[in-house]
Amino acid sequence: DGGITQSPKYLFRKEGQNVTLSCEQNLNHDAMYWYRQDPGQGLRLIYYSQIVNDFQKGDIAEGYSVSREKKESFPLTVTSAQKNPTAFYLCASSRYPGESNTGELFFGEGSRLTVL
Amino acid sequence: GDSVTQMEGPVTLSEEAFLTINCTYTATGYPSLFWYVQYPGEGLQLLLKATKADDKGSNKGFEATYRKETTSFHLEKGSVQVSDSAVYFCALRANSKLTFGKGITLSVRP
Repeated sequence: DGGITQSPKYLFRKEGQNVTLSCEQNLNHDAMYWYRQDPGQGLRLIYYSQIVNDFQKGDIAEGYSVSREKKESFPLTVTSAQKNPTAFYLCASSRYPGESNTGELFFGEGSRLTVL
Repeated sequence: GDSVTQMEGPVTLSEEAFLTINCTYTATGYPSLFWYVQYPGEGLQLLLKATKADDKGSNKGFEATYRKETTSFHLEKGSVQVSDSAVYFCALRANSKLTFGKGITLSVRP
């Protein structure tokens, strides 16, 4: 089945540690995204990538880093510089908008990070 | 910049009640509009979409009409079910990014 796989589903981290969240897609989508979800704040864009080896900062990129070495993979590292990392993290992918599609996002099931 | 405003929540309804969730937007150009739904503990799923003015998106009994004159995309359902309990997000796409509203939690009582 085609889709987006995020792992791990739950992750605990001690303060001062970096952690990496995995996101893999087999939909052959060019664009991939990372969002952070907090109660009452909706989804906020962290980073996005429209093509391999290229990515752009979103609205809340500070304290995060990403890489896009392969089309199907877009891992997110939450660094120790992120002051409040406890949140639900969602990865998504899409095709480019065009005549045959509107570029809607397809989401993974999310990873919940808790800092102890 | 682009923005989406959703009505404040949460919303609690009895089963078979009529549902309206308001959504208005600000965007340059001609955005595509979406409603996404998030069930507990899961990611978001596309519920419906509309790509141009006066288009009506529909799915699972939900409907929303793209109103350019009022910059709105309100979500409606004539008779909600307990299984509709979820968080609903309105979103727009005007360039390479999708901009989301804050979401609203719907709870449906039996």
